[in-house]
Amino acid sequence: DTAVSQTPKYLVTQMGNDKSIKCEQNLGHDTMYWYKQDSKKFLKIMFSYNNKELIINETVPNRFSPKSPDKAHLNLHINSLELGDSAVYFCASSQDWTGTEAFFGQGTRLTVV
Amino acid sequence: AQKITQTQPGMFVQEKEAVTLDCTYDTSDQSYGLFWYKQPSSGEMIFLIYQGSYDEQNATEGRYSLNFQKARKSANLVISASQLGDSAMYFCATNAGGTSYGKLTFGQGTILTVHP
Repeated sequence: DTAVSQTPKYLVTQMGNDKSIKCEQNLGHDTMYWYKQDSKKFLKIMFSYNNKELIINETVPNRFSPKSPDKAHLNLHINSLELGDSAVYFCASSQDWTGTEAFFGQGTRLTVV
Repeated sequence: AQKITQTQPGMFVQEKEAVTLDCTYDTSDQSYGLFWYKQPSSGEMIFLIYQGSYDEQNATEGRYSLNFQKARKSANLVISASQLGDSAMYFCATNAGGTSYGKLTFGQGTILTVHP
């Protein structure tokens, strides 16, 4: 069983479209995250949810909207996609927000054309 | 803001030898954690090892050990007996930052190439 799973693994779409990336964790963790890895491999946090509540929003454009229907799921919806949104998006989870290690999903490579 | 610096963009090592990947950090926090992740060419992020700032002993996990020097604010990763499968990008990270709510700040990464 995959601990943190994201779908899809690859996503190619045109500018202006709206797309979603889904994430599920079966570790029983309370905290989930979205990270973005740019073309230079730099990883930066976007959002963090603890027990379905948003606790971190790192100055991400409001075209990006996370949604957590329950603490095992954290989906990322992106409106009006732009070329600069092309990146690898990682979902992660940790036991709680106090800073234990985070386990990552396999990543979603988003390409906007 | 917390800062993590990995000064080695790339490192090469011969198979079966040991290699050290450097990581320095900057924080005023007293309590924090340091992490190392491996990202192979397939793209996934694999957690390797964790060191807490109050841990007196260096963390070890199999062939991985973390050389933690708190006064120097360094947390170098040592891989012993390198294997071809160790070729990957390695990221150092910290959860320092007061009310960071578990978020990780990553370094720029080091690409490790293991030669046969």
